Amino acid sequence: NAGVTQTPKFQVLKTGQSMTLQCAQDMNHEYMSWYRQDPGMGLRLIHYSVGAGITDQGEVPNGYNVSRSTTEDFPLRLLSAAPSQTSVYFCASKSGTSAYNEQFFGPGTRLTVL
Amino acid sequence: RKEVEQDPGPFNVPEGATVAFNCTYSNSASQSFFWYRQDCRKEPKLLMSVYSSGNEDGRFTAQLNRASQYISLLIRDSKLSDSATYLCAVTPISGNTPLVFGKGTRLSVIA
Repeated sequence: NAGVTQTPKFQVLKTGQSMTLQCAQDMNHEYMSWYRQDPGMGLRLIHYSVGAGITDQGEVPNGYNVSRSTTEDFPLRLLSAAPSQTSVYFCASKSGTSAYNEQFFGPGTRLTVL
Repeated sequence: RKEVEQDPGPFNVPEGATVAFNCTYSNSASQSFFWYRQDCRKEPKLLMSVYSSGNEDGRFTAQLNRASQYISLLIRDSKLSDSATYLCAVTPISGNTPLVFGKGTRLSVIA
């Protein structure tokens, strides 16, 4: 299993550009989520999904869209990039609804918005 | 009050030392508790789950105190390779609700 994969690893955008961060998992996990990590701020939840067709907002959803058309993929779209969105983005997934199932993270995408 | 709080450190300890981290959580209905380890510029990885009865994995011991709403991680006989950031994570309500993370505690083990 490849686990959770994210592309690209690095990206530089100009203010106002849009892009999609890709996330895929091959573990047939129902639950997927996106976090951003900034120095001194820890991991903050952007959006999450408990299954195909179901998404919900996290702590910092503004400026981001998600959709979940398949179990495997959970892309994160930046609609109009802003310097405040410079961050490291992690996608994560876990199996089922048990509170003790392990959550696996992808390797992250490092995004810089100029 | 933040949902999950940790002392950011850094904790600088010599090799062989014992070090302990605490993490407090605000929601008394929280269901599950975890410690994750994150190396520099890498993704977080699960170190251990924290069970009500406490649990041990080699040099690592995790404990939960529901009455005082905190979890702890004890590392004995610290190794240089233990240097990392340790994140605590809490599931606030049910398994379908997102994990909430603390900001992490940085540990540096010094030779």
